[in-house]
Amino acid sequence: GAVVSQHPSWVICKSGTSVKIECRSLDFQATTMFWYRQFPKQSLMLMATSNEGSKATYEQGVEKDKFLINHASLTLSTLTVTSAHPEDSSFYICSAGDSGLTDTQYFGPGTRLTVL
Amino acid sequence: GENVEQHPSTLSVQEGDSAVIKCTYSDSASNYFPWYKQELGKRPQLIIDIRSNVGEKKDQRIAVTLNKTAKHFSLHITETQPEDSAVYFCAAGPLAGNMLTFGGGTRLMVKP
Repeated sequence: GAVVSQHPSWVICKSGTSVKIECRSLDFQATTMFWYRQFPKQSLMLMATSNEGSKATYEQGVEKDKFLINHASLTLSTLTVTSAHPEDSSFYICSAGDSGLTDTQYFGPGTRLTVL
Repeated sequence: GENVEQHPSTLSVQEGDSAVIKCTYSDSASNYFPWYKQELGKRPQLIIDIRSNVGEKKDQRIAVTLNKTAKHFSLHITETQPEDSAVYFCAAGPLAGNMLTFGGGTRLMVKP
């Protein structure tokens, strides 16, 4: 199946710093990517839909100024957690679908963020 | 918007037995229903999916059934093995790579 990578796989940062997470589709183009957040033992919660060449669409309750999303190319979307706080500590996972062939979505390996 | 409910939240079975996980959804516009398996600390992996024009789909020990009228779909795992132990998520959404709404997950434990 299609491959989606994420970088970094884990990050520890001090409160107040910003962290950028990259999501790449390695062998297909993705006009749309999705960012999810997952707390321990909980389900995946959609944060936003990343659209190549246009603004992201955020889910209700997600602060767009805090979680900046950029989808500058058909293979790369970035999520920047600005001024991170301990409550932002979570597992962030992106997904992408090769919409040219199928509607199946493939997930990245996730990024574990710990804010001290 | 879409709301997906998943039951049970935990399921313990003996190796070799069958496991069934059920999900209901609310949005009749949903046409795509994937199931994902997530091992601890890893990404969700697609194990099977079904589209609204099909009532049942099978892949070796895994099968999924869909009842669009009742808005529910189920995952069936037969002859369970210890390596089937994981968290399983159902999801629902429109076709063509649109966003998915996930169920709460089911932690499956297969006892050897």
